[in-house]
Amino acid sequence: GNSVTQMEGPVTLSEEAFLTINCTYTATGYPSLFWYVQYPGEGLQLLLKATKADDKGSNKGFEATYRKETTSFHLEKGSVQVSDSAVYFCALSSLDTGRRALTFGSGTRLQVQP
Amino acid sequence: DTAVSQTPKYLVTQMGNDKSIKCEQNLGHDTMYWYKQDSKKFLKIMFSYNNKELIINETVPNRFSPKSPDKAHLNLHINSLELGDSAVYFCASSHLAGVSYEQYFGPGTRLTVT
Repeated sequence: GNSVTQMEGPVTLSEEAFLTINCTYTATGYPSLFWYVQYPGEGLQLLLKATKADDKGSNKGFEATYRKETTSFHLEKGSVQVSDSAVYFCALSSLDTGRRALTFGSGTRLQVQP
Repeated sequence: DTAVSQTPKYLVTQMGNDKSIKCEQNLGHDTMYWYKQDSKKFLKIMFSYNNKELIINETVPNRFSPKSPDKAHLNLHINSLELGDSAVYFCASSHLAGVSYEQYFGPGTRLTVT
């Protein structure tokens, strides 16, 4: 079955530091890959997505590249802000057998200190 | 305009009671989902409906019964609530196929069973 593995948190960084959150996946077929962000007390917001190999998703300074050869979709940001503090979820979806449900990683909490 | 809305936002009830959570989306999507987020933030699919037809039914106790009166609404009814049902329940919606099928999430319903 499908699975997503994320690095465990919390990740604590100082403002303006470089961020990497690792994500690897196992899936049949050709999944689409997503990063969602959950701010405290809120629902999930789509941060970025990639639908095929070598696609790069980007939004709000965050980037992730769909690497089929390493089955990875690592999230990066060059300079984090305090407002980026949240829980980040890597996820995949696959149309195999008609499913579109998301399979999520366990989430990585990011804490950015001023 | 709220894209995916859920009611109530908070629900506190006693063991053994029956309760319902409602979800509505105004995005014109044909597929809706229920996810459960446990206390460790882990998210798992419970159910999915496509055009009022149940297409995903994960291993969930049969005390949980989803209902979709039309493709814009998806409700979740829970009978005989147990302590372990305490969690945050998220509704989401998407297109099932096509170019753009990312899921949009509601704000969540925090259920506390005492």
